[in-house]
Amino acid sequence: DSGVTQTPKHLITATGQRVTLRCSPRSGDLSVYWYQQSLDQGLQFLIQYYNGEERAKGNILERFSAQQFPDLHSELNLSSLELGDSALYFCASSRGDGSGNTIYFGEGSWLTVV
Amino acid sequence: EDQVTQSPEALRLQEGESSSLNCSYTVSGLRGLFWYRQDPGKGPEFLFTLYSAGEEKEKERLKATLTKKESFLHITAPKPEDSATYLCAVQPGSGQNFVFGPGTRLSVLP
Repeated sequence: DSGVTQTPKHLITATGQRVTLRCSPRSGDLSVYWYQQSLDQGLQFLIQYYNGEERAKGNILERFSAQQFPDLHSELNLSSLELGDSALYFCASSRGDGSGNTIYFGEGSWLTVV
Repeated sequence: EDQVTQSPEALRLQEGESSSLNCSYTVSGLRGLFWYRQDPGKGPEFLFTLYSAGEEKEKERLKATLTKKESFLHITAPKPEDSATYLCAVQPGSGQNFVFGPGTRLSVLP
């Protein structure tokens, strides 16, 4: 158990809908990262937050947004969902701003768009 | 552009048959190289962090080594429970983003 908690574990929704994925980082970790992993695809970095502020942005679509709250938990919002958004979404956390820090992953949220 | 490649893409071993997985990287500076193990449908599990060329880390049947251009994950006398996808990631010196390789899918047959 990495200590990173993600909910929900599984989610099935229809195209055009909006969903929110939730992540609680390990105790004491200030950075939260979001990654997407599709079938036969590697881990794609979406976005990083450090202590409530956006720190780095990857290949995140405009339909997706995220935030980190004062208690350091984070939410990833996915809107106007398309079939191609079906994937495993991972949250990870690290102690500092990520520079040289190891990042620890949660178990992921399976999103299926039908 | 920062890149990470891993080889082989897939590897089948007999139980007890030692082998090595390769991770080659091209980055502008290197803050760290990370190895993870991922079981199907699960989150990547952290194995090792290496920071500088010549560094080695060991854990049970696994040993990770680092040179200036690549890293190796050596698996000694593997068991079926070592079957998983092994991911390599680098953190470039220019920023915080981790760049992940595509992984090596390891199957250890009894």
